Amino acid sequence: GESVGLHLPTLSVQEGDNSIINCAYSNSASDYFIWYKQESGKGPQFIIDIRSNMDKRQGQRVTVLLNKTVKHLSLQIAATQPGDSAVYFCADLGLDSGGSNYKLTFGKGTLLTVNP
Amino acid sequence: DGGITQSPKYLFRKEGQNVTLSCEQNLNHDAMYWYRQDPGQGLRLIYYSQIVNDFQKGDIAEGYSVSREKKESFPLTVTSAQKNPTAFYLCASRDRSLQPQHFGDGTRLSIL
Repeated sequence: GESVGLHLPTLSVQEGDNSIINCAYSNSASDYFIWYKQESGKGPQFIIDIRSNMDKRQGQRVTVLLNKTVKHLSLQIAATQPGDSAVYFCADLGLDSGGSNYKLTFGKGTLLTVNP
Repeated sequence: DGGITQSPKYLFRKEGQNVTLSCEQNLNHDAMYWYRQDPGQGLRLIYYSQIVNDFQKGDIAEGYSVSREKKESFPLTVTSAQKNPTAFYLCASRDRSLQPQHFGDGTRLSIL
């Protein structure tokens, strides 16, 4: 079946370092990718998205890279801060098996810990 | 502020009891979703609704029911048929197809 997975379940970095969180996806027909941040006891919060016709998109301190050739997505966080500590999910939006509705498929998440 | 409100934040269920989780949004979004999240896991889709008075089963709909009588409300009932209901339940809504879903802050359901 289709799946979105993450290479590393945990990532620990020092404050001020750059963080890179990776994600692999399997649905070659995916149109849209989203990164979410989830803090403990809260719902996922939208960080940044990218469409399949792009290979890079930048936000404030965050950059998402999309490599369609190898079906790989990454989230880069510049100058990581303690407040960035959370679980980060990638999600893949593509048509469901019936081909009539879009379905968002989530990976299991990567726990990012920022050490002061 | 516009957003999604889930209530209650914590809920306890007795054996054989149905419980209903509330989800309200004032974002004027057409589509709404219910997800279940277990520890260390990603989100799994329970039910979704693209428009009022219409909804579809997700990947794990057994033991759950929903209604969509109003655009802003999408309550989820966890029935006694759901044998493993302990989880974190997340409601989301979306405006258009290639737009991100926005999430509420979840309801944590536990069994007494």
